Amino acid sequence: AQTVTQSQPEMSVQEAETVTLSCTYDTSESNYYLFWYKQPPSRQMILVIRQEAYKQQNATENRFSVNFQKAAKSFSLKISDSQLGDTAMYFCAFMKGNEKLTFGTGTRLTIIP
Amino acid sequence: GAVVSQHPSWVICKSGTSVKIECRSLDFQATTMFWYRQFPKQSLMLMATSNEGSKATYEQGVEKDKFLINHASLTLSTLTVTSAHPEDSSFYICSARGLQHYEQYFGPGTRLTVT
Repeated sequence: AQTVTQSQPEMSVQEAETVTLSCTYDTSESNYYLFWYKQPPSRQMILVIRQEAYKQQNATENRFSVNFQKAAKSFSLKISDSQLGDTAMYFCAFMKGNEKLTFGTGTRLTIIP
Repeated sequence: GAVVSQHPSWVICKSGTSVKIECRSLDFQATTMFWYRQFPKQSLMLMATSNEGSKATYEQGVEKDKFLINHASLTLSTLTVTSAHPEDSSFYICSARGLQHYEQYFGPGTRLTVT
């Protein structure tokens, strides 16, 4: 079974700074997808970014980028120029093929004004 | 973008009663929907996967007779919590798989409080 580990339960950073959230996973598969989801206080799950394992290029979405290290099974999320609206729980997730999402335990990120 | 709705957003029921939560994909058809449960400050725990027109697949440890899931159409799945008890109080989230198998769109969640 796949496992996803987020070792930082909580983090805080000053507004406009850069923050990196870590995620490691364990799988024997070679083809899979990795995701970062954001859950703000409203509790609506929002997809932040997706990475296909067969792609070597790291995914980016505006201020959000990932550092995908397949051999190390590491998938960190970097948020640049952090904004107050980035305050949320962030979940790393793994999906193999057409199967279910496996979520990590989450990191609570607080952006300090 | 694809939108998933849930109804109700918040429900309070008495112990021993049943409550139904609806999950709808508003602008796309979803052959597969998922039901999650989330306790405060915890991650999402998958309860079951429902496929339109067939029986749901429950995760280990989830009581299928207590959490009844029906996926009767391509846009609607329902979760019925039967004979609810206070320990069933939680936040329930549904999601629907989009056209691409790696796409999953989440509903806004339903807060269930059993008194």
